[in-house]
Amino acid sequence: DAGITQSPRHKVTETGTPVTLRCHQTENHRYMYWYRQDPGHGLRLIHYSYGVKDTDKGEVSDGYSVSRSKTEDFLLTLESATSSQTSVYFCAISDGQGFTEAFFGQGTRLTVV
Amino acid sequence: DQQVKQNSPSLSVQEGRISILNCDYTNSMFDYFLWYKKYPAEGPTFLISISSIKDKNEDGRFTVFLNKSAKHLSLHIVPSQPGDSAVYFCAARRHRDDKIIFGKGTRLHILP
Repeated sequence: DAGITQSPRHKVTETGTPVTLRCHQTENHRYMYWYRQDPGHGLRLIHYSYGVKDTDKGEVSDGYSVSRSKTEDFLLTLESATSSQTSVYFCAISDGQGFTEAFFGQGTRLTVV
Repeated sequence: DQQVKQNSPSLSVQEGRISILNCDYTNSMFDYFLWYKKYPAEGPTFLISISSIKDKNEDGRFTVFLNKSAKHLSLHIVPSQPGDSAVYFCAARRHRDDKIIFGKGTRLHILP
């Protein structure tokens, strides 16, 4: 398995509170991605990073921010959680050299009540 | 605007027969296409990919076909096995910025 760890694996939080999800990799891959999975929507890209301090928006970036201060960590922050952000969040990593597939973490189930 | 489309939410196939999962895309800037398999409570796992310069790639029971003129790709699984029951996601990478965009997925049921 690719060395990718998401934390926490499960979280319940209240509406309006800030939440940070962490993705940690040991593969030294350049690219890191955050997706959310929802019924009827599949996997939607929130933000991604193509290097330290280099990030870009995905399809559903509103309400989310990210930071990547070092190669191995990619943080996803919900500044003020809303019920619509209840979802399963997946982090993925990719080498990007030529092409290699993206490897996914196990996911974080976030519930906003 | 959905750039990667999987129009069949679910598909049921008899064990031992061929499963064909379809995917359409709208963006000509995609240069790689991938298929992922996902079981409940797990992250997606990579199955097979194809470059936009090819029209077929085969790996064991899995074959992906790409028709660029129709902006269509398909995943063939033959013979289908019970362990193939899962959700299958089609994905495409955009060359200029390495974004990987996924479809909504197709749930495959292999019937005994």
